[in-house]
Parts: sequence; structure tokens; C-alpha cells
Amino acid sequence: DGGITQSPKYLFRKEGQNVTLSCEQNLNHDAMYWYRQDPGQGLRLIYYSQIVNDFQKGDIAEGYSVSREKKESFPLTVTSAQKNPTAFYLCASSTTTVVGGGYTFGSGTRLTVV
Amino acid sequence: QKEVEQNSGPLSVPEGAIASLNCTYSDRVSQSFFWYRQYSGKSPELIMSIYSNGDKEDGRFTAQLNKASQYVSLLIRDSQPSDSATYLCAVSRSWGKLQFGAGTQVVVTP
Repeated sequence: DGGITQSPKYLFRKEGQNVTLSCEQNLNHDAMYWYRQDPGQGLRLIYYSQIVNDFQKGDIAEGYSVSREKKESFPLTVTSAQKNPTAFYLCASSTTTVVGGGYTFGSGTRLTVV
Repeated sequence: QKEVEQNSGPLSVPEGAIASLNCTYSDRVSQSFFWYRQYSGKSPELIMSIYSNGDKEDGRFTAQLNKASQYVSLLIRDSQPSDSATYLCAVSRSWGKLQFGAGTQVVVTP
């Protein structure tokens, strides 16, 4: 079955440590997105990519980095520069980059700083 | 001013009644509008999309769009306990991006 796989489901980060969240899709979607969700808040856009080898900063990109070397994969690295990384991270993909079609979401990664 | 606004709730709805959720947005050029349902601890799932003014029905769900008033709503008829969730309104931005509201929590009571 086609879908988006995020791993790990839970991740614990020590102070000063970089961690990478995985996102893989087999939907043949061109566009992929990373959002962050904090309790009581909506989803906030971190980075997005419309095509392989190209990505753009979203609204809250500071302290994060991404790569898009393959169409299927869009990993997110949370660097030590991100001072408040504890959140629920959601990866999404879509078929269209212009009209704004609905997203398919992965199951999410819950990141906690310990 | 938030770009997409929703009442946070919780909205308490008796089982079998109609739940009415509202969403307003600030960007007049937005073309696509979506409602997502999110159960606690889970990722959002798309339940409705609407692109033109008027009503769109899908089973027990009806989405309503009024671009002149910059208003989109979701009605849930014959509410069931399984409808208890947070409902996120999303509005299209440039380049396929979506702007999400903070969500409305719905609680269906037996």
C-alpha cells in the first residue's frame, strides 16, 4: 500500500545533540513538507520541497535542516541550534505544488529533549 | 491577526446532533480549503476539501465556503462518539503550502 513512513515514532534528544527524522513516501508525490505541532497550536511549516535537489524554508526554519536527494525521501535534521525542539513532527506529501491539493501525512515523530 | 482562525473549543455535542465548526482566513487569494480530523496523538487525516463557493456534502460531513466573507465551515450530522477529535482547518498558500488553524476540539457526549 502507498503511504508515508516516518521513523522513529519516538525520539529523545540530549542537549546539544543533532538528530535526524526520517520521512519516506512511495506515492510518487513531487512535493514534500515538514510541519511541527505544539500542544494547542496548529501545524507550523518548517521546510518544503517541490522537486528533487530543491527545498525552501518555511515559517520556522531556524535550527532545522533538510535534504532532498531522492524523490521518495525528505529527512529533517534538528540541530543543536533549535532551542525548543520538543514537539510532534509531521511529514506530508502532495501531488500538486500550485493549486494546493490536500496532503497525505505520515504518522509523526514525537521528539523530546531529555 | 492569525491567518487562519478557529474556535479552540471544546465543542460539546450530544450524540446524534449536528456539530458546527467555523473557520475564517485572512488571505483573499486562497483557492483551496481543507478540513482534517486529528485524533489525540495521531496525525491529521483529510476528510473534506472544497474549492468553490457553496456547499459540498460527503456522507455525514458538509463543507461550506463563502470566499466573499472569507469563511469556511464544517457540519457533522448525526454525531457519533468516534467523531470526538480535533478538527483542523487548512487554507492554501503559494506553492502548494497549507496554512493550518489551531483546531477545534469536538467532544461527542452519549
